[in-house]
Amino acid sequence: LAKTTQPISMDSYEGQEVNITCSHNNIATNDYITWYQQFPSQGPRFIIQGYKTKVTNEVASLFIPADRKSSTLSLPRVSLSDTAVYYCLVVTTGGYQKVTFGTGTKLQVIP
Amino acid sequence: DGGITQSPKYLFRKEGQNVTLSCEQNLNHDAMYWYRQDPGQGLRLIYYSQIVNDFQKGDIAEGYSVSREKKESFPLTVTSAQKNPTAFYLCASSIDPLEGNNEQFFGPGTRLTVL
Repeated sequence: LAKTTQPISMDSYEGQEVNITCSHNNIATNDYITWYQQFPSQGPRFIIQGYKTKVTNEVASLFIPADRKSSTLSLPRVSLSDTAVYYCLVVTTGGYQKVTFGTGTKLQVIP
Repeated sequence: DGGITQSPKYLFRKEGQNVTLSCEQNLNHDAMYWYRQDPGQGLRLIYYSQIVNDFQKGDIAEGYSVSREKKESFPLTVTSAQKNPTAFYLCASSIDPLEGNNEQFFGPGTRLTVL
């Protein structure tokens, strides 16, 4: 399983763009990069998934460089409700996708 | 509405007692999972099941048992052999473990406290 490394915590003011970077040096050819969001006392919620270059949805953007050894989750104009823990996962296709949730990045949005 | 339900939300048990946590999904998903989360920590995989009547141990299976007799149900039993069972337990499901887009859908969780 490709191991991921991301910052333990980040602070941001409301209205700013937040970028959370994740490194995954051992990512394999069949691996996808997936991000989840978790609020206290709730289950994680899928945010976005990508394989290479850029993926955008209504919630976030995911930037993946050509070597795929890192990825950046971008949250535009965060609000207080974006305060949560964000997990970066590397998921393997073509078989059971046993995934590992690390400790994630705790994002605190400040008014 | 489709989704995953876990019951109860809060559960208290005396030390030495076995307890079973319920997880039901009506999403018609093949795969189901159980995770444990301790305060300030990430999720750790306990057991997973790809299809009915089949399940595999995750990273921390000792002291836990599961069954998968029906596609929609994946109950977890916390046995007295589990040394420190107090934690937040999360159940999840995904469509097809062989597909690339394997988004996991999580239930609301059960917070177990052993007194």
